[in-house]
Amino acid sequence: AQSVTQPDIHITVSEGASLELRCNYSYGATPYLFWYVQSPGQGLQLLLKYFSGDTLVQGIKGFEAEFKRSQSSFNLRKPSVHWSDAAEYFCAVGGGTSYGKLTFGQGTILTVHP
Amino acid sequence: NAGVTQTPKFQVLKTGQSMTLQCAQDMNHNSMYWYRQDPGMGLRLIYYSASEGTTDKGEVPNGYNVSRLNKREFSLRLESAAPSQTSVYFCASSERGGPNEQFFGPGTRLTVL
Repeated sequence: AQSVTQPDIHITVSEGASLELRCNYSYGATPYLFWYVQSPGQGLQLLLKYFSGDTLVQGIKGFEAEFKRSQSSFNLRKPSVHWSDAAEYFCAVGGGTSYGKLTFGQGTILTVHP
Repeated sequence: NAGVTQTPKFQVLKTGQSMTLQCAQDMNHNSMYWYRQDPGMGLRLIYYSASEGTTDKGEVPNGYNVSRLNKREFSLRLESAAPSQTSVYFCASSERGGPNEQFFGPGTRLTVL
């Protein structure tokens, strides 16, 4: 069965600091990996996705993520955080045989201090 | 182009009451999904529809039924609501399964008393 673990429930950073959100997955085949962001009271918006090819993927809002198969990880990074990045972030995994069914992590809440 | 829309936005039910959550997408997507979101548990798949005319159970289907009315619409029904069904419900759609991005609606916040 596929699973996703986001070890950090809550992270606080100062505006302008760098950010890394951790995501570890379990999946028996080549995974499809996603990062979504959810602002309070809103639906989820896709930040970036990995299917194949270059293991460093660029997304919207200056985010990037690196797929490391040997570590079963797909960590999200941003070099300089803005106050508007405060939100909840979800990592998700899917695969070909699961036909679009995504398994989400528990989420990481990001707080940004001015 | 509204994307994925959901109605209602908020609902309060008493235990045992029934209701239907509506979802529609205007992106001509084949696949549609219903999730529930609970604090600290991420999103969990309730039901999905890979294509018009098909539906399948997800991770937490008990207490729910779905109808894929047509390609655009996918409804979720609670026949006899229970307090454990208090949650935020999200509908999503994608062009088809596999690696395609899922687009999410704004959610329905449901409270069962």
